[in-house]
Amino acid sequence: SAVISQKPSRDICQRGTSLTIQCQVDSQVTMMFWYRQQPGQSLTLIATANQGSEATYESGFVIDKFPISRPNLTFSTLTVSNMSPEDSSIYLCSVTGTTSEYPRNYGYTFGSGTRLTVV
Amino acid sequence: DAKTTQPTSMDCAEGRAANLPCNHSTISGNEYVYWYRQIHSQGPQYIIHGLKNNETNEMASLIITEDRKSSTLILPHATLRDTAVYYCIVSLQTGANNLFFGTGTRLTVIP
Repeated sequence: SAVISQKPSRDICQRGTSLTIQCQVDSQVTMMFWYRQQPGQSLTLIATANQGSEATYESGFVIDKFPISRPNLTFSTLTVSNMSPEDSSIYLCSVTGTTSEYPRNYGYTFGSGTRLTVV
Repeated sequence: DAKTTQPTSMDCAEGRAANLPCNHSTISGNEYVYWYRQIHSQGPQYIIHGLKNNETNEMASLIITEDRKSSTLILPHATLRDTAVYYCIVSLQTGANNLFFGTGTRLTVIP
């Protein structure tokens, strides 16, 4: 299965600023997703990162607040814009099986997450 | 995607088998049952998945009822490192679907 490197692992940011989170995969993958996990809560899907086109956002999440890029099959970024304390969460990148494994998936792989604190 | 129902929390003695139940009564015929776990401060980790038949790997066993409306994840010999939140998820195995996480079961392995 794929190996994910997610950066930064944690950050403390001032309100009103923006943070870009990177997700680098060691092999080409078919699908990449971004999740948010608020303190003490389960994971909530933000969007599906589509290669070369606009991301597909879930209800309650918008591109202006969470712009996403996916320039190729191994890399994606999530930006948290104009941050407020309510954005303090763990943000996680997830990928499906590598293109060589598709369509047989052995489970989705998650990065270790970015712990964001907005002050 | 079908919804799942899991107990909020469970305890298990170290060395004993941990049996984690999951109800998914609205599962459709082509949806798989996935199990993930999340150890504190880490990303979710894939454990096992299955469609109809029982499955076993090096981590766990998955028992799916004949009507597929419920399943049980079995950790045969629980260790302290198995303390985590366990998520049961129902999803299509197409490689194009995201995963929707419920609240999961918080398993605490007791020494």
